Amino acid sequence: DSGVTQTPKHLITATGQRVTLRCSPRSGDLSVYWYQQSLDQGLQFLIQYYNGEERAKGNILERFSAQQFPDLHSELNLSSLELGDSALYFCASSVPGRPAQFFGPGTRLTVL
Amino acid sequence: ILNVEQSPQSLHVQEGDSTNFTCSFPSSNFYALHWYRWETAKSPEALFVMTLNGDEKKKGRISATLNTKEGYSYLYIKGSQPEDSATYLCALEYGNKLVFGAGTILRVKS
Repeated sequence: DSGVTQTPKHLITATGQRVTLRCSPRSGDLSVYWYQQSLDQGLQFLIQYYNGEERAKGNILERFSAQQFPDLHSELNLSSLELGDSALYFCASSVPGRPAQFFGPGTRLTVL
Repeated sequence: ILNVEQSPQSLHVQEGDSTNFTCSFPSSNFYALHWYRWETAKSPEALFVMTLNGDEKKKGRISATLNTKEGYSYLYIKGSQPEDSATYLCALEYGNKLVFGAGTILRVKS
């Protein structure tokens, strides 16, 4: 158990819908990262937040957005969902100045 | 963005065999190289973070080396055990992001 929690574990929804994935980092970690793991691709970095501010952006679609709240939990919002958005979404967190990232258990999103 | 190649794609070995796999990259324009171990139905777990001054890292039966001049990192597992079965991911850290390779799937048969 890495100490990073993600909810929900599974999510099934329909095309066109909007969902919110939630992540709580390990106690003391200020950075939160979101990754997407699709069937035919490796782990793809989406976005990073540090202490409430966006720090880095990867291959995140405009239909996706994220935020980090004052209590440091983060939410990833996915809207106008398409079949291709079906994937495993991981959140990771890290301590300032220490590069290793600790991954949560993931949320499996299925878009029907 | 750097392209991270991992080989082989998958590997089947017998319990007790030693094995190694490769992470290769075209240039050393990154901050650090990470190795992660990802067991089925679990989340990726950090094994090593290797900075460019390239010391060998070791944790029990697993060790890793980094050769920035030649553009590769090796992960070695000595005396493989069934519990070593997992996908081993390599990632390059640059900026504030990790760029992952596709991974090497290791299956250890008892």
